[in-house]
Amino acid sequence: AQSVTQPDIHITVSEGASLELRCNYSYGATPYLFWYVQSPGQGLQLLLKYFSGDTLVQGIKGFEAEFKRSQSSFNLRKPSVHWSDAAEYFCAVHASGGSYIPTFGRGTSLIVHP
Amino acid sequence: NAGVTQTPKFQVLKTGQSMTLQCAQDMNHNSMYWYRQDPGMGLRLIYYSASEGTTDKGEVPNGYNVSRLNKREFSLRLESAAPSQTSVYFCASSENKGTSGQPQHFGDGTRLSIL
Repeated sequence: AQSVTQPDIHITVSEGASLELRCNYSYGATPYLFWYVQSPGQGLQLLLKYFSGDTLVQGIKGFEAEFKRSQSSFNLRKPSVHWSDAAEYFCAVHASGGSYIPTFGRGTSLIVHP
Repeated sequence: NAGVTQTPKFQVLKTGQSMTLQCAQDMNHNSMYWYRQDPGMGLRLIYYSASEGTTDKGEVPNGYNVSRLNKREFSLRLESAAPSQTSVYFCASSENKGTSGQPQHFGDGTRLSIL
């Protein structure tokens, strides 16, 4: 069975600083990988996804993520954080073998200081 | 497009009361899901419906029942609410036609308190 680890429960950055949120997964084959963002009081919104091909994927709101097979990681990055990026971020993995059930990490809460 | 619509947005129940959470999607998706979200626990899958006419248990199904009424609607019922079911409930849908890996679309949640 697949699993997802987000090692950081909270991350605090200053506005304008760069951001990297970590995600590690465990799965025997190449998974489908996702990052979602949850703003307060709202549901999750897809930021980006990786299925195959180029290991650097671009998403909405200026986010990108890089798939590194050798490290079983799919870290989310943004070069310059805005105050509106403060939210909860979830990494998720789908098995590529036909399962319709994603596995979510427990989330990383991003705090942005002015 | 409305996407995934959940009703109600807020609800307070007394222990032992029953209620149904409603969810509807207008994206013609095959699969629908119910999650609960609790602090520090992330999202936990309660039930899912891979396609119209099928439902299956997820990680935490005890105390809940579901009905896939049609392709658009997927309801979650609490027959006898307990304080441990105080949570935020999210409905989601995805387009899965024989392949996995499609992203999920989420509603804005139902905040449920059981007294």
